Amino acid sequence: DIQMTQSPSSLSASVGDRVTITCRASQSTSIYLNWYQQKPGRAPKLLIYAASRLQSGVPSRFSGSGSGTDFTLTISSLQAEDFANYYCQQSYSTPRTFGGGTRVEIK
Amino acid sequence: QVHLQESGPGLVKPSETLSLTCTVSGGSISSYYWNWIRQPPGQGLEWIGYIYYSGSTNYNPSLKSRVTISVATSKNQFSLMVSSVTAADTAVYYCARSNTAVVNEFDYWGQGTLVTVS
Repeated sequence: DIQMTQSPSSLSASVGDRVTITCRASQSTSIYLNWYQQKPGRAPKLLIYAASRLQSGVPSRFSGSGSGTDFTLTISSLQAEDFANYYCQQSYSTPRTFGGGTRVEIK
Repeated sequence: QVHLQESGPGLVKPSETLSLTCTVSGGSISSYYWNWIRQPPGQGLEWIGYIYYSGSTNYNPSLKSRVTISVATSKNQFSLMVSSVTAADTAVYYCARSNTAVVNEFDYWGQGTLVTVS
């Protein structure tokens, strides 16, 4: 199984801050890396797929980068509605695996 | 717009079989992988497995001996069964579509249904 490690596990930030979340895979996943946002009581929502492609309807302040084993999700200017949990997920091989999540909280 | 909706009992007794169905509307079940994913309360996400519309399956080895996923294309539905459940199977269960056109990302999700084993 490919292990996905996210860091940090949680962070506190203010509206307007630039936020960066990293995800490391235990082996190369090429660009088969996706990011999801999950708010309490809601299903995860796809933000970024194929490492850097923005899902339709997702604000452009979200961006993704990386390939191989190291990936980054960046929120350029944090908005109130962005406080949530974020998960990376590899779709390179089965079993599909997720990172442990990053909780973005209000400072 | 594709919409997925999970249905099934919210309470299952230990050692019994958990059964859920996902109904797909707004699009055909053909040409995609259809997944089950679960999330124990306060924890992260675990992929359970998928089924292709043709009926081929792929399961997480951690659950493979207890899981069966099936598809009913004429009803635009797919289903999950987990046998011999324990309290560790208590979770919100999501169905989700894999977009086979790109990198099999989970682009559509159901709202999720909480299943409690007790």
